[in-house]
Amino acid sequence: EAQVTQNPRYLITVTGKKLTVTCSQNMNHEYMSWYRQDPGLGLRQIYYSMNVEVTDKGDVPEGYKVSRKEKRNFPLILESPSPNQTSLYFCASSPDRGITQPQHFGDGTRLSIL
Amino acid sequence: DQQVKQNSPSLSVQEGRISILNCDYTNSMFDYFLWYKKYPAEGPTFLISISSIKDKNEDGRFTVFLNKSAKHLSLHIVPSQPGDSAVYFCAASGYNNNDMRFGAGTRLTVKP
Repeated sequence: EAQVTQNPRYLITVTGKKLTVTCSQNMNHEYMSWYRQDPGLGLRQIYYSMNVEVTDKGDVPEGYKVSRKEKRNFPLILESPSPNQTSLYFCASSPDRGITQPQHFGDGTRLSIL
Repeated sequence: DQQVKQNSPSLSVQEGRISILNCDYTNSMFDYFLWYKKYPAEGPTFLISISSIKDKNEDGRFTVFLNKSAKHLSLHIVPSQPGDSAVYFCAASGYNNNDMRFGAGTRLTVKP
């Protein structure tokens, strides 16, 4: 089954404790991206990747890091999480660029930073 | 700044009637527009899209209309069904851009 898998689905942690949210897709997609969803703001793009070793900032990259060492994986790293990063996070992938082909989304990761 | 706006946070319609969800954008460089549907505890799923060279795209019960001069698009669902109850996100991007902008979403409730 074609899917985008995020882990963990839920996480409660404390300020400053580094965390990583993993994202993996099994569709051999070139393009992957991370979004955060906040009430009244919709989905805002954090980072995206056009291909292996190619990443770029989206709308709200501050406080986040990503890497794309393999085509299937695109982890999101919070080096020093803060309460304003409490949010619902989605990973997405698409065959190419993402802007002319619809993205496939994971089921989300709800992060709470205390 | 929010370049894509969905000004109605919620919409309630009766089963069998038409649902109209609206979306406005400010960036004239946007060329490609999509609607995504999201159920609770799931990720958004693609519903329908439209390119700026068209003013209408239809897929079964779903039709998207684009008015470029007004920078406005709408999603029509006819007839609405209870299973259509979800949050709908409008999204837009330019062909020369690599990022995509989403609206805040509209929660549609279809009452039996």
